[in-house]
Amino acid sequence: AQSVTQPDIHITVSEGASLELRCNYSYGATPYLFWYVQSPGQGLQLLLKYFSGDTLVQGIKGFEAEFKRSQSSFNLRKPSVHWSDAAEYFCAVAPSSGYSTLTFGKGTMLLVSP
Amino acid sequence: ETGVTQSPTHLIKTRGQQVTLRCSSQSGHNTVSWYQQALGQGPQFIFQYYREEENGRGNFPPRFSGLQFPNYSSELNVNALELDDSALYLCASSKKLAGVRSVADEQYFGPGTRLTVT
Repeated sequence: AQSVTQPDIHITVSEGASLELRCNYSYGATPYLFWYVQSPGQGLQLLLKYFSGDTLVQGIKGFEAEFKRSQSSFNLRKPSVHWSDAAEYFCAVAPSSGYSTLTFGKGTMLLVSP
Repeated sequence: ETGVTQSPTHLIKTRGQQVTLRCSSQSGHNTVSWYQQALGQGPQFIFQYYREEENGRGNFPPRFSGLQFPNYSSELNVNALELDDSALYLCASSKKLAGVRSVADEQYFGPGTRLTVT
């Protein structure tokens, strides 16, 4: 069965500093990979996704993520964090065959300090 | 383009009762997935409906059931509510092309229904 691990429950970053959120997955083959953001009281918004090809993917709001097959990782990065980025971030995987469902990690709460 | 909407926003029920949650798909979408998000957890897949039939199910008991209507809207029904059913229930819609493994069918989420069972 596929699984997703987000080792950091909370991360605090100063506004303007860089950010990296970690995500590791367990799956028999290369899955499809996603990062979602959830603001308080809101649903999930897709930031970016990886299906194949270039292992560095660009997303919305200035986020990017890098797929590293050897490390089974898909870490999310942003060079300069804004206060509005404070939210909960979820990494998710979907199987590359079969019906399409998402398996989510437990999330990382990003706090941005002034 | 209308996004995914869910109703009600919040709901309080008593243990043992039944509840129905509703979801309207984004325009042009034909597939609906339901997820349960307990406090402090990531969403967990409950089931998916495509063309009014269940198209996959997660590890949830039969008292969780669903429907999809011809207009692709959907309902999630939970019978015999338990305290652990308290959670945010998220609906996501996507567009599945017949005969095509739509690459993970990019899912668009609604704002959720917060269910509290007392």
